[in-house]
Amino acid sequence: GDSVTQMEGPVTLSEEAFLTINCTYTATGYPSLFWYVQYPGEGLQLLLKATKADDKGSNKGFEATYRKETTSFHLEKGSVQVSDSAVYFCALRAHFGNEKLTFGTGTRLTIIP
Amino acid sequence: EAQVTQNPRYLITVTGKKLTVTCSQNMNHEYMSWYRQDPGLGLRQIYYSMNVEVTDKGDVPEGYKVSRKEKRNFPLILESPSPNQTSLYFCASILQGTDTQYFGPGTRLTVL
Repeated sequence: GDSVTQMEGPVTLSEEAFLTINCTYTATGYPSLFWYVQYPGEGLQLLLKATKADDKGSNKGFEATYRKETTSFHLEKGSVQVSDSAVYFCALRAHFGNEKLTFGTGTRLTIIP
Repeated sequence: EAQVTQNPRYLITVTGKKLTVTCSQNMNHEYMSWYRQDPGLGLRQIYYSMNVEVTDKGDVPEGYKVSRKEKRNFPLILESPSPNQTSLYFCASILQGTDTQYFGPGTRLTVL
């Protein structure tokens, strides 16, 4: 079945450091890929998405590129801020019209000033 | 404001005492679902509904029931809760054909 493997956390970085959170997936066909962010005490919010191979999703300085050849969707940010501290989830939707999301285990990110 | 609301936000109960967690969305979305979040497991889908009176099992439906009598509401029912249902629960909705799922703030349930 479909699955998402996500970099284990927690991850602690200093402010302005470079961030990478690895995500790889297993799916048949052509899934859509997402990164969701969960701030403390809140629900998940869509951070960015990519719906086909080689698409790059971006938002709030975060980027991720849909790499079909390596089945990956790594999240990156060039300079993190304290306000980026949250839990990040990689997820896939198997195919258009099937709204179920398959999630990775989540990565807790803490940014220290 | 577009939102998904859940109540209660926190609940402590005892084994076997029936409970309902409510979920409501104001975006006229057809599709709604329930997930549970557990450490090391991410979020897993419990049940989903594609429209009024249309519900189906997700990946971990055992011990749960749902109903969809109105488009905006999708309650999660635990008829006889057990300690292994202690978890953080999220309701989500999406307009079919789009990419953005909207999540509620979560309900933290503890079953003693």
